[in-house]
Amino acid sequence: SAVISQKPSRDICQRGTSLTIQCQVDSQVTMMFWYRQQPGQSLTLIATANQGSEATYESGFVIDKFPISRPNLTFSTLTVSNMSPEDSSIYLCSVAGSYNEQFFGPGTRLTVL
Amino acid sequence: GDSVTQMEGPVTLSEEAFLTINCTYTATGYPSLFWYVQYPGEGLQLLLKATKADDKGSNKGFEATYRKETTSFHLEKGSVQVSDSAVYFCALMRDYGQNFVFGPGTRLSVLP
Repeated sequence: SAVISQKPSRDICQRGTSLTIQCQVDSQVTMMFWYRQQPGQSLTLIATANQGSEATYESGFVIDKFPISRPNLTFSTLTVSNMSPEDSSIYLCSVAGSYNEQFFGPGTRLTVL
Repeated sequence: GDSVTQMEGPVTLSEEAFLTINCTYTATGYPSLFWYVQYPGEGLQLLLKATKADDKGSNKGFEATYRKETTSFHLEKGSVQVSDSAVYFCALMRDYGQNFVFGPGTRLSVLP
């Protein structure tokens, strides 16, 4: 299984600012995913990030709000731009494993005041 | 589109009780099915999985059987412990590398 780390683990931000979340994997992976988990809710996919191509966003999520970078096969970033209190969530990255599973990072807990 | 439905929680049990968390799905074809667990303040951990009909996934005393005829993947454990208190998510993936579709999660509390 892949070992995934995320930075920061949590942050408290002011509305109107932006936060960049980093996701690091201990092995090379083709597909990485970014999810949002709003308080008390399930996970919702934001986008799929493949190295060497533009991220693919799900309905309701746009690149201007959630720009994603995928510079190599072990790293990705998600930026939450122009934040509002509604963006307070846990943001998780995941990678596709070899046997139809996904492995998740520990998450970044974001609070927007 | 694809969807996953889980029994509503929270579920509260006494230690050593039998656990069932129901999960049903709607999907085209033959998805892979998963149970993930999220302990308080942590990310998601893969608990078990099944990739085809009649497969049984098992781990840490938990089991779930892929029932295509009833489109279900119910999670069971014969004797729960306080340390099993967490939120459990049922999920499906239709094709390799595709994003997962998660159920709403079921919060389990086990009392000593």
